[in-house]
Amino acid sequence: AQTVTQSQPEMSVQEAETVTLSCTYDTSENNYYLFWYKQPPSRQMILVIRQEAYKQQNATENRFSVNFQKAAKSFSLKISDSQLGDTAMYFCAFMKPNSGYALNFGKGTSLLVTP
Amino acid sequence: SQTIHQWPATLVQPVGSPLSLECTVEGTSNPNLYWYRQAAGRGLQLLFYSVGIGQISSEVPQNLSASRPQDRQFILSSKKLLLSDSGFYLCAWSAGQGASPLHFGNGTRLTVT
Repeated sequence: AQTVTQSQPEMSVQEAETVTLSCTYDTSENNYYLFWYKQPPSRQMILVIRQEAYKQQNATENRFSVNFQKAAKSFSLKISDSQLGDTAMYFCAFMKPNSGYALNFGKGTSLLVTP
Repeated sequence: SQTIHQWPATLVQPVGSPLSLECTVEGTSNPNLYWYRQAAGRGLQLLFYSVGIGQISSEVPQNLSASRPQDRQFILSSKKLLLSDSGFYLCAWSAGQGASPLHFGNGTRLTVT
């Protein structure tokens, strides 16, 4: 079974600064997909970024980028130029192709962006 | 464009009562469908997924069941609710291919009293 670990329950960053959220996972598969989702106070789940394991290049979406280290099974999220609207729970997720492409989520990191 | 509807938004039910949460998707065909539960302050736990009509896979043994009577309809049910069934329930759909993200509904907050 694949497990996803987010070791930082809470983090805080000042507006305009950069913050990195960590995520590690455990799997015996070689081809898989990883995601970061954001859940603001509205509780809507919003896709932030995704990464295909077969791609060595780290995914980037505007201010969001990942540091994907396949050998270390690490998938951290970097948020640059943090904004107040980035305040949310952030979930790392592993896609399970053998289970209907469902996502297996970590427990989340609560990020607070302060003025 | 594709949209997902989930209702009701909030629900308060007594212990032992039945439950029915409904989720429908528009603008796509043959989606994969999912039910997740989120306990307070915790991550999302996969409850059920479906890759086609009438095909339901359960991830966690529990007091709940799911059905997919139509291609774009997914229902979460219980015959008798337990206090431990309280939580935030999220329905989601995906195109069912690698790297296809899950798209979530707005969720249902269920309180069992």
